[in-house]
Amino acid sequence: DGGITQSPKYLFRKEGQNVTLSCEQNLNHDAMYWYRQDPGQGLRLIYYSQIVNDFQKGDIAEGYSVSREKKESFPLTVTSAQKNPTAFYLCASSAGSPGTDTQYFGPGTRLTVL
Amino acid sequence: GQQVMQIPQYQHVQEGEDFTTYCNSSTTLSNIQWYKQRPGGHPVFLIQLVKSGEVKKQKRLTFQFGEAKKNSSLHITATQTTDVGTYFCAANNAGNMLTFGGGTRLMVKP
Repeated sequence: DGGITQSPKYLFRKEGQNVTLSCEQNLNHDAMYWYRQDPGQGLRLIYYSQIVNDFQKGDIAEGYSVSREKKESFPLTVTSAQKNPTAFYLCASSAGSPGTDTQYFGPGTRLTVL
Repeated sequence: GQQVMQIPQYQHVQEGEDFTTYCNSSTTLSNIQWYKQRPGGHPVFLIQLVKSGEVKKQKRLTFQFGEAKKNSSLHITATQTTDVGTYFCAANNAGNMLTFGGGTRLMVKP
């Protein structure tokens, strides 16, 4: 059953703690993305990766970090430097071109920082 | 970064009424995609438009790409309760990245 998995679905953390969100895909896609969605708003790109061991900042990368050590995995760390981390985080992947290929989204992780 | 404006932000309709959402860019686009996100769910790809003036249909949904490739619309004929959700456009202005619009949240009263 191919797709993208994100875990956990809900995550609670205390202010000042780093937290890592997981994203795994078995679609054999080269490109992966992390988006942030705030209530009633669109998707804002945090980071993306087009190949293993390479990634680029998106529009709102400050306070976040990523790694891409394996094609299947693209974890996102929300650091204590992120001023307002409470949000819905969506991971996506595409076969290749970020601008033209269909993006397939995972179910998302809702992070609440207390 | 590139700005993609989507209007309206919210739309309430009575079941059976039509619905349209618009996506506008100040720059010429290479292509535009549309996604639907059900309440509590994740965005799901609907369609991609590439050619100037292109029109594509999926059952009751009609997608258009403007002649100047700076705007696009999604029209739903005779809405049903299953159409409820937020519709996003995602535009590529040849920078080879998609920029998502703010979305239009559609609510349908049965």
